[in-house]
Amino acid sequence: SQTIHQWPATLVQPVGSPLSLECTVEGTSNPNLYWYRQAAGRGLQLLFYSVGIGQISSEVPQNLSASRPQDRQFILSSKKLLLSDSGFYLCAWSVLTGGNSPLHFGNGTRLTVT
Amino acid sequence: AQTVTQSQPEMSVQEAETVTLSCTYDTSESDYYLFWYKQPPSRQMILVIRQEAYKQQNATENRFSVNFQKAAKSFSLKISDSQLGDAAMYFCAYRNLNTGKLIFGQGTTLQVKP
Repeated sequence: SQTIHQWPATLVQPVGSPLSLECTVEGTSNPNLYWYRQAAGRGLQLLFYSVGIGQISSEVPQNLSASRPQDRQFILSSKKLLLSDSGFYLCAWSVLTGGNSPLHFGNGTRLTVT
Repeated sequence: AQTVTQSQPEMSVQEAETVTLSCTYDTSESDYYLFWYKQPPSRQMILVIRQEAYKQQNATENRFSVNFQKAAKSFSLKISDSQLGDAAMYFCAYRNLNTGKLIFGQGTTLQVKP
């Protein structure tokens, strides 16, 4: 069966520090991969999605970047965190083909920038 | 660009009663998929139900059913025989078939009263 791992679960970082959140998927090949951010009590905002290695689409201009160095690995990064980067970050995957296949989410990372 | 709107930030229902959560969306596409996700306090995203736009028949999953009105671009979720465990935030989502992106609404927080 497929599983998705996302870490760390919680992170507190000072303003101006770098960020690296990692997400890996097991049990499937060529997945679509996604990074979402959820502000407190709000909906999910799509940040990045990837349909293959090295293929990253950015949805909103921001202080963040994403990379997909391997088929089942998706990394969210920042060189210098801002206070506004605080939030709950969710990684997700879906099968590459088949629009009705749902997104499967990781457990999320709660990021607090101080 | 596609958008998803959930006009009810909060809803409440008495245990064992029925509640309907509203969702509307905007798209120029003729084929797409719609989803409802549940996010309990653990913040894990759980798929509740899905609907293919080309199907006229409304999807049903046990106590959960949808009212899909394609012309009106409406996709409401009905929860029958509400249980305390149904208390959560519910998100409506639209999936673009070409990109695979899943666009979420702002969510509706459902409270179930004993």
